[in-house]
Amino acid sequence: GAVVSQHPSWVICKSGTSVKIECRSLDFQATTMFWYRQFPKQSLMLMATSNEGSKATYEQGVEKDKFLINHASLTLSTLTVTSAHPEDSSFYICSAPATSRGRGYQETQYFGPGTRLLVL
Amino acid sequence: GEDVEQSLFLSVREGDSSVINCTYTDSSSTYLYWYKQEPGAGLQLLTYIFSNMDMKQDQRLTVLLNKKDIHLSLRIADTQTGDSAIYFCAEKGSGYSTLTFGKGTMLLVSP
Repeated sequence: GAVVSQHPSWVICKSGTSVKIECRSLDFQATTMFWYRQFPKQSLMLMATSNEGSKATYEQGVEKDKFLINHASLTLSTLTVTSAHPEDSSFYICSAPATSRGRGYQETQYFGPGTRLLVL
Repeated sequence: GEDVEQSLFLSVREGDSSVINCTYTDSSSTYLYWYKQEPGAGLQLLTYIFSNMDMKQDQRLTVLLNKKDIHLSLRIADTQTGDSAIYFCAEKGSGYSTLTFGKGTMLLVSP
């Protein structure tokens, strides 16, 4: 299947600093990527949809000025957590849809391994 | 309902079958997925089923879909300790790429 990578896999930072997380599709192109946030023992919550060459679409309640998304190429989307605070500590996961051909076309979401952010 | 519902926890013995249930929200959803998440890791796609199917079998995994009741289940035969993880069901609405996830079922397999 398609491979999505994330970097870094974990990061610890001081409160007030900014952290950039990269999401790459390694063997396919993705005009759209999704950013999710997962709190411990909870499900994934969609934060935003990243669109190559245009502005991201944010879900209700997600501050677009706090979580900056840049999708500059067909294989890379970045999420920057600006002025991070302890409540931003979470597990951030990206995904990208890839289309495979079997009986007809099937679009499947492939997930990155996640980035664990801890803000002190 | 508004949320994709899953039971939170399931405990089985090694060698038994596990059945994880899910009630999704949209009877017009096109694809239903099962993902596995091991501690500290991302999501691994296990299997999926298209909405015009009732059942799909893939080695030890059997997915049953009841569209009338908007109910999805995942059966794992001969469950192994390595199957211990959190299992998420997810639905893909018609025309949308994004998925809606359940809260996950933690499967614990004891020797």
